[in-house]
Amino acid sequence: GQNIDQPTEMTATEGAIVQINCTYQTSGFNGLFWYQQHAGEAPTFLSYNVLDGLEEKGRFSSFLSRSKGYSYLLLKELQMKDSASYLCAVKDSNYQLIWGAGTKLIIKP
Amino acid sequence: ETGVTQTPRHLVMGMTNKKSLKCEQHLGHNAMYWYKQSAKKPLELMFVYNFKEQTENNSVPSRFSPECPNSSHLFLHLHTLQPEDSALYLCASSQGLAEPYEQYFGPGTRLTVT
Repeated sequence: GQNIDQPTEMTATEGAIVQINCTYQTSGFNGLFWYQQHAGEAPTFLSYNVLDGLEEKGRFSSFLSRSKGYSYLLLKELQMKDSASYLCAVKDSNYQLIWGAGTKLIIKP
Repeated sequence: ETGVTQTPRHLVMGMTNKKSLKCEQHLGHNAMYWYKQSAKKPLELMFVYNFKEQTENNSVPSRFSPECPNSSHLFLHLHTLQPEDSALYLCASSQGLAEPYEQYFGPGTRLTVT
């Protein structure tokens, strides 16, 4: 079966750095996406990786290793507004997005 | 209006009612999706439409019936639902189905079945 694993919840301190991991087993691979979802709101797109390596976008970076079925989202200089759920999703061979259950990130002052 | 809109935002219905959820995208996208989001579970893809044609139906019970009259509008018709159908229903759109097109989500309809 297809599976995306990510931690259920993480806690970090304002101004610090946090890394959210995602491992996947899917039938085929056509890219990995990270989305942010604030409570009661729609998911919003953060990043896309299809080749191995690091993609940087401001305070957020995303890394992919296809051989290991592994990705992480790195958030730097954490702000209170970064408190949200972070969803990892993989596009499989049918171009369907397979989603993880999300990681709830709690930022403390 | 910009992005993806959904109405209603909240819906409470009995198990014998019939209701419809509406989604509209103002992005000129060709693909539209219905997802179900339950607490602490992954997003469940329900239906996919590409250029108004249904391409996926992920074993969704027949009490959920989608309709896509054009590339900008998507409906989800509901009838004789069960309490376990209570969830957040999200609509999304994308430029196409293939990579690297990200999906844009609407705010969702919070559905409660009593």
